[in-house]
Amino acid sequence: KNEVEQSPQNLTAQEGEFITINCSYSVGISALHWLQQHPGGGIVSLFMLSSGKKKHGRLIATINIQEKHSSLHITASHPRDSAVYICAVAVGSYQLTFGKGTKLSVIP
Amino acid sequence: EAQVTQNPRYLITVTGKKLTVTCSQNMNHEYMSWYRQDPGLGLRQIYYSMNVEVTDKGDVPEGYKVSRKEKRNFPLILESPSPNQTSLYFCASKGNEKLFFGSGTQLSVL
Repeated sequence: KNEVEQSPQNLTAQEGEFITINCSYSVGISALHWLQQHPGGGIVSLFMLSSGKKKHGRLIATINIQEKHSSLHITASHPRDSAVYICAVAVGSYQLTFGKGTKLSVIP
Repeated sequence: EAQVTQNPRYLITVTGKKLTVTCSQNMNHEYMSWYRQDPGLGLRQIYYSMNVEVTDKGDVPEGYKVSRKEKRNFPLILESPSPNQTSLYFCASKGNEKLFFGSGTQLSVL
């Protein structure tokens, strides 16, 4: 069974800070997703990665397949970035296993 | 608008009374799936479907049934709900680059 570990569990940052959230997993995967969940509960997909790096606005996601590790970076953080960020890994015919999430609070 | 529609948004029921949570997507996606989210446990996959008439168990399938008779719909069926199935449920479909989630169903089983 794939184990997915996220760190940190909670993160408080000042507006404008550079933020990094980490995700490690235990077995080979076909893809990794980064998701964002706001306090209202809705879940939004940020990135799907199978190798390398992707960038969207102030968000950057990287994955190292050999080390079984991915990072989500937020540059110039803003209070609207406050949310729970969730890593999910896909194996086989797309069975998904999720990390427990990182709760980010960005203070003005 | 591309979306995954889940109904109902809130549901309160009693132990043993069969219920169905509906999920529909308008993006012609082949892959659809169901998850439950519980405090301290995070999201866990219940069932997933790679295509019509193809379904597979996720990590927590006990007490749930699904069917995929047509591409757009993937209902979740609780034949005999129990209080430990009280949870927040999400349906999702997968496109080429991302997952699309429904808005969630908060289920309470009394």
